[in-house]
Amino acid sequence: DAGVIQSPRHEVTEMGQEVTLRCKPISGHDYLFWYRQTMMRGLELLIYFNNNVPIDDSGMPEDRFSAKMPNASFSTLKIQPSEPRDSAVYFCASSLWGGNTEAFFGQGTRLTVV
Amino acid sequence: DAKTTQPPSMDCAEGRAANLPCNHSTISGNEYVYWYRQIHSQGPQYIIHGLKNNETNEMASLIITEDRKSSTLILPHATLRDTAVYYCIVTGTYKYIFGTGTRLKVLA
Repeated sequence: DAGVIQSPRHEVTEMGQEVTLRCKPISGHDYLFWYRQTMMRGLELLIYFNNNVPIDDSGMPEDRFSAKMPNASFSTLKIQPSEPRDSAVYFCASSLWGGNTEAFFGQGTRLTVV
Repeated sequence: DAKTTQPPSMDCAEGRAANLPCNHSTISGNEYVYWYRQIHSQGPQYIIHGLKNNETNEMASLIITEDRKSSTLILPHATLRDTAVYYCIVTGTYKYIFGTGTRLKVLA
């Protein structure tokens, strides 16, 4: 398996534009997590899914952020409209059974909003 | 999930054992202790986890105290490539909450 695949690896966009980050989890994994990492706040859990259903989105910062998982092999994190403070590295991770098995992380998407 | 406390930074000489402590005094009976590390700006990488017993794999050993209120991650022979931020996570639910971790620097 190629691991968790995220795209794009880098994204530069202008303030106000819509940004979509993509994630392909490891085949067979039931849980998918979206994290955001900044120098100031560290690694923050934004949302996680179980069997394509959002379970906990309490970490989503505001309504500008939305996440979907239309099928077991694909998830998106959308920011609309984007703001400079959204600049961060966004990681996607997947695991078999959530908190009691190891999670595998993608390489991240570095988002810069100018 | 229980809160964890780790020292912000540590140094270790190359070839020596690196012992990284973690305090989790509020851990409950069904919560596991996990260790991850993050090398530079890569995605976090799983190292090891345990519930009560000490655990060992090809990367490291995990020592959990009998009362489970603290643990130590041991890298037996640290190399320069082990320089990273190490995170101790306690969870009994289906999510991982990362703290600030310990920045380990392995010195040549």
